[in-house]
Amino acid sequence: KNEVEQSPQNLTAQEGEFITINCSYSVGISALHWLQQHPGGGIVSLFMLSSGKKKHGRLIATINIQEKHSSLHITASHPRDSAVYICAVDSGGGADGLTFGKGTHLIIQP
Amino acid sequence: DADVTQTPRNRITKTGKRIMLECSQTKGHDRMYWYRQDPGLGLRLIYYSFDVKDINKGEISDGYSVSRQAQAKFSLSLESAIPNQTALYFCATSDAGGGETQYFGPGTRLLVL
Repeated sequence: KNEVEQSPQNLTAQEGEFITINCSYSVGISALHWLQQHPGGGIVSLFMLSSGKKKHGRLIATINIQEKHSSLHITASHPRDSAVYICAVDSGGGADGLTFGKGTHLIIQP
Repeated sequence: DADVTQTPRNRITKTGKRIMLECSQTKGHDRMYWYRQDPGLGLRLIYYSFDVKDINKGEISDGYSVSRQAQAKFSLSLESAIPNQTALYFCATSDAGGGETQYFGPGTRLLVL
């Protein structure tokens, strides 16, 4: 069973700061997902990665397959970025659903 | 309109009652999943289905059953609800092929008294 660890568990930062959230996993994967869960509970998929780097607006996700590690970066953070960010891995090519980390609770203060 | 819908959004029930949570999707995806989320534990897979005739148990299937009535509908049942099934339940869908983005429903908050 893949073990997914996220750090930090909680992060409070000031508006404008550069944010990094880390995710490591124990077993090789076919893809890694970054998800965002808003205070109301809804979950949105931000990225799906199998190698390299992806960018969408102020969000950047990277993955190092050899080191079994991924990072999510937020540039020029804003209070609306406050949410729980969840890392999830697909170990079986979609065959068994996703294995999730416990999430990083991010608060961006004005 | 949302691509993945769940009903009800909130439910309070009593120990021993049978309840059903329903999920519908308009994305035309073959794969559907049910997860539960508990504080401090993250999301965990309950059941998943790759098509109408294919149902598979996930990590925590005990106490639950599912029905895939059509490609677009996947229901989760608690045959005899117990308090430790109090949680936030999410349905998700993805296209076939492996490693595809999953699309989540809005969630159902269930409280078992």
